[in-house]
Amino acid sequence: GENVEQHPSTLSVQEGDSAVIKCTYSDSASNYFPWYKQELGKRPQLIIDIRSNVGEKKDQRIAVTLNKTAKHFSLHITETQPEDSAVYFCAASGNAGNMLTFGGGTRLMVKP
Amino acid sequence: DADVTQTPRNRITKTGKRIMLECSQTKGHDRMYWYRQDPGLGLRLIYYSFDVKDINKGEISDGYSVSRQAQAKFSLSLESAIPNQTALYFCATSGSGFTGELFFGEGSRLTVL
Repeated sequence: GENVEQHPSTLSVQEGDSAVIKCTYSDSASNYFPWYKQELGKRPQLIIDIRSNVGEKKDQRIAVTLNKTAKHFSLHITETQPEDSAVYFCAASGNAGNMLTFGGGTRLMVKP
Repeated sequence: DADVTQTPRNRITKTGKRIMLECSQTKGHDRMYWYRQDPGLGLRLIYYSFDVKDINKGEISDGYSVSRQAQAKFSLSLESAIPNQTALYFCATSGSGFTGELFFGEGSRLTVL
């Protein structure tokens, strides 16, 4: 089955700096890569996703890049703000519908 | 607003006890899931159901069972709880089309002593 590895497990940045979280996956058939954000004590929520037919997608301060050849994808957050502090999960799924395999999570801390 | 609701939100129990976590949704989704969250391990799939008559094991189903009582209800049972089942449990739903997005409940924190 699919295996998703996520790095780093914790990331601390200064407000205004950029943050990058990286994930690798094992199943070359995977074609859908979402990112979820979980604020402290809250439920995970989808923030951005990318499908295998594109290499990059942006939504305001967040962007995701995908390299299918290398089987890795990354989340980029620019101009970080304290409210970006949360745990971020990457995930991957293939042709089995919504069967997502999640990475281990990254705790992002943005220092004011 | 349409939502995914889990009960109980917190539960402390003892080893060997039977525990049921319940999930109900008003999103009208066909697909429902139970995930377990542990620090550093992300979200791991326990069971999933694509409709009322469909139940499938996920990555870590041992020690768990589920029941899909209706389109809107999906419950998770621990027949004989053990301490390493202490975790945060999330129910999630998704539509039948491959939109990808999972909608999570607020979570049920279970502690097994």
